[in-house]
Amino acid sequence: GAVVSQHPSRVICKSGTSVKIECRSLDFQATTMFWYRQFPKQSLMLMATSNEGSKATYEQGVEKDKFLINHASLTLSTLTVTSAHPEDSSFYICSARSGQGAIDEQFFGPGTRLTVL
Amino acid sequence: QKEVEQNSGPLSVPEGAIASLNCTYSDRGSQSFFWYRQYSGKSPELIMSIYSNGDKEDGRFTAQLNKASQYVSLLIRDSQPSDSATYLCAVSVSGGGNKLTFGTGTQLKVEL
Repeated sequence: GAVVSQHPSRVICKSGTSVKIECRSLDFQATTMFWYRQFPKQSLMLMATSNEGSKATYEQGVEKDKFLINHASLTLSTLTVTSAHPEDSSFYICSARSGQGAIDEQFFGPGTRLTVL
Repeated sequence: QKEVEQNSGPLSVPEGAIASLNCTYSDRGSQSFFWYRQYSGKSPELIMSIYSNGDKEDGRFTAQLNKASQYVSLLIRDSQPSDSATYLCAVSVSGGGNKLTFGTGTQLKVEL
């Protein structure tokens, strides 16, 4: 159980284009999903918290108009990187938390490696 | 002061030995503690979670928590080359929206 998928796994795009990344919880309903970014040799940095049916909560320093998050259902959240630039190249990882019980374990998707040329 | 601190390593241990990974955290309101394993180029994988003081064992892994000292550790017994990875310590604060704060990770190398 607790399987989270991401699509695509890898994307290369031109500067100025937009890229959408999907995160799905496959065998449970995720009341909350999280989006992280990880640069080489660095730890995960939380970008935003996404709750089903409500607006995402962004961490300080993360531009909400650049990183659009939609959590339309209990199994799907999307992150759209708008007008991507080379500095946005990174490893984007989502995680999902089940609403069951008090345990707040997060299960991670396999990640999406974004390269902006 | 970083919220979650780990020694970046690398920590090298011989195959079959016990690997000891340590983590300290600054927020006394922290309630939940997690260890994730991350292989190079991959996403983190949950190894252990611990919520109360003491030891928690799962197979070759033992998590230890000391809230008074704000310290959590992970022991890996009978280390295998396949255990070579970066181990991330993560902490969740009660009332913090279940957000996790990660340490920078400790790189473990298990040598033949």
